[in-house]
Amino acid sequence: DVKVTQSSRYLVKRTGEKVFLECVQDMDHENMFWYRQDPGLGLRLIYFSYDVKMKEKGDIPEGYSVSREKKERFSLILESASTNQTSMYLCASTWGGTYTDTQYFGPGTRLTVL
Amino acid sequence: AQSVTQLDSHVSVSEGTPVLLRCNYSSSYSPSLFWYVQHPNKGLQLLLKYTSAATLVKGINGFEAEFKKSETSFHLTKPSAHMSDAAEYFCVVSDRTSGTYKYIFGTGTRLKVLA
Repeated sequence: DVKVTQSSRYLVKRTGEKVFLECVQDMDHENMFWYRQDPGLGLRLIYFSYDVKMKEKGDIPEGYSVSREKKERFSLILESASTNQTSMYLCASTWGGTYTDTQYFGPGTRLTVL
Repeated sequence: AQSVTQLDSHVSVSEGTPVLLRCNYSSSYSPSLFWYVQHPNKGLQLLLKYTSAATLVKGINGFEAEFKKSETSFHLTKPSAHMSDAAEYFCVVSDRTSGTYKYIFGTGTRLKVLA
C-alpha cells in the first residue's frame, strides 16, 4: 500500500513565523501536490512537483513556496505565516504523468496561525 | 477548462436507505472522474474512478457511480447506507489540458446517516 505521511497532524504558529510542512511518500511516485482545504471551498491546489527540483504553481501559490530536494519528500513553506493561512493542508502523490492516475493523500496537517 | 459541481452540500439519509450524491462535470477532453471520501480529521481515500472503460464503476464499501456523457454526470450511489458512511465526499475531474494535467475538486457533500 502507498503511504503518504505528513510531519504534523496539528500545528499552532504565530503570525510572522516561518512554517515548514513536510510530506513523505514511500512508493517512488513522480508527482507530489500540496492542497489547502477550507469549508465550502473543497481542495485548492497550492503547488505541485513533477520531478525532483521541479515545481509548478497551482491556483493559490501566493504566500507559499515549496522544496523538493529528494523524490520522496515535498515541503511546503509559509515564509511569514498570516492568520488567513489557518487551514487544513493536504499532501498527495501520484505514480506517473497521466490524468488517469489516482492521487494518494496524507492524513493532513491542521494549521492554526494566531 | 474543466470544472465540477457537486449539487448538494449536505445530504441526510436514514440507515438502510439508498444514498445518492450528485456530481456534474465540464471537460473539453475525455475526462477521468474520481470520488473520494474523507472521514473526520483524516485524509482523502479513493472510492472509485472512471477512466474511459466501463461506464458503471464499482468501488469500495458498496459504492458505485455511472458515467453519463450525455448528461455530463457522475453520480455516486449506494443501495443501503451504513452509519460508517457518514463522511464528506468529493467528486474530482481530471483531463489533459494545455499539455499538463490537474485535478479539479468539487466543494464536497457532507453525508449524514441517521439511526
